[in-house]
Order: sequence, then C-alpha cells, then structure tokens
Amino acid sequence: QSVLTQPPSVSAAPGQKVTISCSGSSSNIGNNYVSWYQQLPGTAPKLLIYDNNKRPSGIPDRFSGSKSGTSATLGITGLQTGDEADYYCGTWDSSLSAGEVFGTGTKVTVL
Amino acid sequence: EVQLVESGGGLVQPGGSLRLSCAASGFTVSSNYMSWVRQAPGKGLEWVSVIYSGGSTYYADSVKGRFTISRDNSKNTLYLQMNSLRAEDTAVYYCARRDSREHWFDPWGQGTLVTVSS
Repeated sequence: QSVLTQPPSVSAAPGQKVTISCSGSSSNIGNNYVSWYQQLPGTAPKLLIYDNNKRPSGIPDRFSGSKSGTSATLGITGLQTGDEADYYCGTWDSSLSAGEVFGTGTKVTVL
Repeated sequence: EVQLVESGGGLVQPGGSLRLSCAASGFTVSSNYMSWVRQAPGKGLEWVSVIYSGGSTYYADSVKGRFTISRDNSKNTLYLQMNSLRAEDTAVYYCARRDSREHWFDPWGQGTLVTVSS
C-alpha cells in the first residue's frame, strides 16, 4: 500500500497537455524533494524529474515538475504517442526507517 | 556510459534462496548509494533495500531479516541475497543508483524476474 496517491490513468490527444498529481503528507512530500519516473511498456523506469522540478540531461522541456505543500504535479505538454507509459512519483518518508516511497502509478494514454 | 546489468533471477520454491547480482559500469558502486527496487507483476514500484557508500544498509519492513544487500568492490557489483522466499516476493527486481543527497534513482538496470512458486 503506497503512501503516495496518483490517479490510475489520464489521457489526451496528441499535442495536448496532461498533468499527473501525486498526493502525500507532511512526512513525505511536505518535507522532501519529489522525483518522477517514466516506465515505457516492458522497460525499466527512467528518471524524468528530480528535486521537484529539475530535468536530467536529455529529458525534453515538455516534461515539467512542481510541488506545493503535500502534493506534486508532473506536466507533459505537446503529448506524443511515445509518451504512452506509466509514470511514478517518488520521495522519502520520514515516518519509516530509510523509507523510500513511490506513488501508485499513472497510465498515460495518447488518444 | 553509466550502466547497470542485473542477473540471477529465476524460478524458486517457497522457502528457497536466490542471489541477485547487479554489475555496474561507468561508475564505482562503492562510492555511491545503491538500491534494489522491485515491481510485482502488474503492480507499482516498491523500494526493497539500500546500501550507502559508507556501508550502512537499510531494508523495507517486508524483507527485513530475510534479504541482505551487499557489494563486491573488486567486481564493482551489487548483490541481493534473498532467503526464505515467499510467493509475494515474486517480482522484477531492479538495481538503481540513488543520489547521495536526495532520494532519486538514476540509472536503473533492466531488471531480473524472480518467481517464487511450487
């Protein structure tokens, strides 16, 4: 049972924008940085966003991250068919011993 | 190129043991924080364990006392020894490098499937 809640799925047409929410609490998102991962079908997760809103080298600026209070959001603009994947948020939960936690995951579908 | 390659997965009976390996290239395992993360079939990501560069180790409650994370500096390889395996341990196991300052993971290996079944 994950402590970070995400919507099971979101969808939009090519070229449109989607946002994915990640809801937590003061013991996790509220006091720690958030990261986001993209998992294409049949592949390993890949880091998309770290420290709430920073993109690793090679990640296009169509992907953005933000955090407010105990929630975080991933935005994807100019949606492409290649963006169809599962997306996970992640952070640390101070209520657990060295508690790395991930969100429940969101499936993005390009209509 | 920074890369992680896991191996050692397979089919094991309940109560059995298995050791996973994660060979790193392009960076030094012992100088980094290294983790194992698993994903049960059709499910989300679950953190399993971490070993810090200083050698401290931590585990998720679900595997504490049964799994042991370690590394071989001469082989630049991370390990996960899994004992007393249960059906609920069935998952793809990924190794990943964790940032030493904040809690994000990059890169990830391709994963290795562990199936616990009689």
